[in-house]
Amino acid sequence: AQSVTQPDIHITVSEGASLELRCNYSYGATPYLFWYVQSPGQGLQLLLKYFSGDTLVQGIKGFEAEFKRSQSSFNLRKPSVHWSDAAEYFCAVGNSGYALNFGKGTSLLVTP
Amino acid sequence: GAGVSQSPSNKVTEKGKDVELRCDPISGHTALYWYRQSLGQGLEFLIYFQGNSAPDKSGLPSDRFSAERTGGSVSTLTIQRTQQEDSAVYLCASSLGQGMNTEAFFGQGTRLTVV
Repeated sequence: AQSVTQPDIHITVSEGASLELRCNYSYGATPYLFWYVQSPGQGLQLLLKYFSGDTLVQGIKGFEAEFKRSQSSFNLRKPSVHWSDAAEYFCAVGNSGYALNFGKGTSLLVTP
Repeated sequence: GAGVSQSPSNKVTEKGKDVELRCDPISGHTALYWYRQSLGQGLEFLIYFQGNSAPDKSGLPSDRFSAERTGGSVSTLTIQRTQQEDSAVYLCASSLGQGMNTEAFFGQGTRLTVV
């Protein structure tokens, strides 16, 4: 069965610092991978997705993620964090015919 | 419609009452999901509908929870004899559901409060 692990429940970074949120998945084949963001009181918004091809994926709001098959990882990165990036981030894995599986989320706090 | 629509947006109910939550997916999306998000918690998978296949009900927490999807479109999540621990935001999502189109689009959710 597919599973997704986000090892960090909370992360705090200073505004302007770089950010990396970790995501590990467990699946036999190459899954479809997603990162979603949920701002306070808002719904979930897709940041980026990976299906195949180039392992470095660019998303919205300056985010990128890199698929590393050897590490079963799909970590989310941003070179310089803005205060408005404070939110909950969810990694998800999907495949045809199966339910989309989400990690438990990482809560990002941005300090001045 | 343009996006996934859920109703009501907020629901307050008394303990022991039944509630129905509605989800209108994006037209043409064959896959529909229900998730529950409790305060400070991640997304808990509840149920998944894919086309005409039998739904994946593996995430339903108890037999008080049920869901149906009529005509492959609108879905209703029913919670019978609500308990205080059922208080949460219930999120619905839909996707084209096949291959690369497994990206899920979410509704704004229904915030359920059981008093």
